[in-house]
Amino acid sequence: ETGVTQSPTHLIKTRGQQVTLRCSSQSGHNTVSWYQQALGQGPQFIFQYYREEENGRGNFPPRFSGLQFPNYSSELNVNALELDDSALYLCASSSRQESYNEQFFGPGTRLTVL
Amino acid sequence: QQQVKQSPQSLIVQKGGISIINCAYENTAFDYFPWYQQFPGKGPALLIAIRPDVSEKKEGRFTISFNKSAKQFSLHIMDSQPGDSATYFCAAVKNSGGSNYKLTFGKGTLLTVNP
Repeated sequence: ETGVTQSPTHLIKTRGQQVTLRCSSQSGHNTVSWYQQALGQGPQFIFQYYREEENGRGNFPPRFSGLQFPNYSSELNVNALELDDSALYLCASSSRQESYNEQFFGPGTRLTVL
Repeated sequence: QQQVKQSPQSLIVQKGGISIINCAYENTAFDYFPWYQQFPGKGPALLIAIRPDVSEKKEGRFTISFNKSAKQFSLHIMDSQPGDSATYFCAAVKNSGGSNYKLTFGKGTLLTVNP
């Protein structure tokens, strides 16, 4: 069974640029959630995708957007990068049922905005 | 507004000792409380979790104590080992019986277990 994978591992961008981060969910999982983890902080929920639609969003501006594909993989896009966007971006996958199911996290993408 | 407050920020324990990390929450709609362990360069991994209908859950050396009336829960690591050195996060899930859920995390505790 393949776990959650994310690419790239590290990324350096400059302020104002756009970035796309990718996530492959664990086999059998159909729901993907994205979290932002600033240095020394706990992860913060960005949004969740199920059946290719956004299903819940945290307190993040519209320049954070996402996609989910038919194979349940997902992308996180951030436009107009700001210095404060520097963080570890975590993807978590789970199987969608009627009640909470454990979210399995990938290793994350470390984004640095200069 | 921080919905889940975690303390201490860092903790140093000798090998064989007990590590205790505390969390408190405000929102009574939270109904599932997991603890995550994160090593450097890795994503968080579920360690142990509890629902508020029980006051304690034990798995090996790890125990969660839950106080519903005080809205507090804690992680106890017995016989702490150097391999336990990691960052620990408490978290809470609201309406876990529904289909729309997210993890709300505390700020984390950096645990160092000295040999």
